[in-house]
Amino acid sequence: DIQMTQSPSSLSASVGDRVTITCRASQGISNYLAWYQQKPGKVPKLLIYAASTLQSGVPSRFSGSGSGTDFTLTISSLQPEDVATYYCQKYNSAPLTFGPGTKVDIK
Amino acid sequence: EVQLVESGGGLVQPGRSLRLSCTASGFTFGDYAMSWVRQAPGKGLEWVGFIRGKAYGGTTEYAASVKGRFTISRDDSKSIAYLQMNSLKTEDTAVFYCTRVGSQLLEYFDYWGQGTLVTVSS
Repeated sequence: DIQMTQSPSSLSASVGDRVTITCRASQGISNYLAWYQQKPGKVPKLLIYAASTLQSGVPSRFSGSGSGTDFTLTISSLQPEDVATYYCQKYNSAPLTFGPGTKVDIK
Repeated sequence: EVQLVESGGGLVQPGRSLRLSCTASGFTFGDYAMSWVRQAPGKGLEWVGFIRGKAYGGTTEYAASVKGRFTISRDDSKSIAYLQMNSLKTEDTAVFYCTRVGSQLLEYFDYWGQGTLVTVSS
C-alpha cells in the first residue's frame, strides 16, 4: 500500500507569514491528492482536490501544487483563523490513505 | 444545502456489534458514493471504507483494519448510508464521520457529517 507522510508535523508562524506544508507519497499518485483543514474540536473541511483545485468557498490564500509523489499546501498569508491541523489524502485507488497531519498555530 | 447526520453511536462492549446510520439531504443521494472516516481520540483521520453509487454497481472498498468486520450499505430510497460494525475491538473507539465522496471515481470527501462517537469498552 502507498504510504503518505507530511512535514513538518507541527509549525508555529506569525500572522501574515507564508506557510508551506509538504505531503509525500511512497509511490506516484498523479494528482489524486486532497487537502483538509480540521480546526480544534471541529469537523474536517475539504480545502483542495486534484492537488491544486480550490474547493468552492475556500479563501484564495490557500493553494496546492505537486504531482507524482511530492505535494505542497501553501497559505500565502497566515491568519488567526487558520490555526488547525492539515491533512493530505490520496485517492488514486483504495486504500484511501490520509497523511498523519500538520498542526499549525500562531507564534 | 448538503447535510449529513450520523446516528447510532454509543458505548459497546468488545466483541459486540453496532450499526451507524448516515441520513443525507440536500443532494441526489443515489448519484454519489458515500464513505466513512474515523478519528480515534487525539489521533489523525483514518479512512474506513466507501460504497459507490448504483451506477457503479454499489461496490464497496474497506481499510485493511476493518475488512471482514465492517460492512457499508446504502438505501437510496431513504437517502441513508449504513456502517455495520461487528466484532468490535477497543481500538475501534473513535468518532465516526459520514462523508460524501466528491465524484464517483474520485474519492475525496467534499461534505462531512458532525460525527458520532463510538466507545468500545467493557
